[in-house]
Amino acid sequence: GAVVSQHPSWVICKSGTSVKIECRSLDFQATTMFWYRQFPKQSLMLMATSNEGSKATYEQGVEKDKFLINHASLTLSTLTVTSAHPEDSSFYICSAPRTSGSGGGTDTQYFGPGTRLTVL
Amino acid sequence: GQNIDQPTEMTATEGAIVQINCTYQTSGFNGLFWYQQHAGEAPTFLSYNVLDGLEEKGRFSSFLSRSKGYSYLLLKELQMKDSASYLCAVLDSNYQLIWGAGTKLIIKP
Repeated sequence: GAVVSQHPSWVICKSGTSVKIECRSLDFQATTMFWYRQFPKQSLMLMATSNEGSKATYEQGVEKDKFLINHASLTLSTLTVTSAHPEDSSFYICSAPRTSGSGGGTDTQYFGPGTRLTVL
Repeated sequence: GQNIDQPTEMTATEGAIVQINCTYQTSGFNGLFWYQQHAGEAPTFLSYNVLDGLEEKGRFSSFLSRSKGYSYLLLKELQMKDSASYLCAVLDSNYQLIWGAGTKLIIKP
């Protein structure tokens, strides 16, 4: 079953409004979560790394004032698209690494199901 | 429930061929993706299959059988740089991505 969830699955909004997308790790804690954007049949583009208890790290070219990230707890990160415009319409995906084993175990990335944003 | 199964890890030799299988059980089907992910990097799109059959793209090919809920990614003439995790993901009836846990491919000289 899914170990990372996203809400909402779909959202349609008017241009100029803000939209919040939630990413939750369901049965593990994640001090780090990643936010991606995906265009049809293209690679996932890393937007930012969400860090619990500190500021997010944004990739070059991603406007941090437009894409607000808050890692409120060890199981929840939110991405808020502020003043959304039609060019922000996309598929937004989050992921969270889960460490298996103790003392330096390997990480497995678990991906969320995605949130489809359409800005009219 | 929805489920994607793929092997956790595979090992192959440089220059050889390897096939990574993926089986799925999802509510509806709107296509299957394969991605390659190197450690610390974002997943890179490799292929998208929505109809049955084999799609060839250079050294990589992807096959789909919708009736069997089965896909495979075939990598030929393996190179050391092909060492990575390979993710299988299905787009379900709600256009949500259902992800496999990934197959870690180790290439040995």
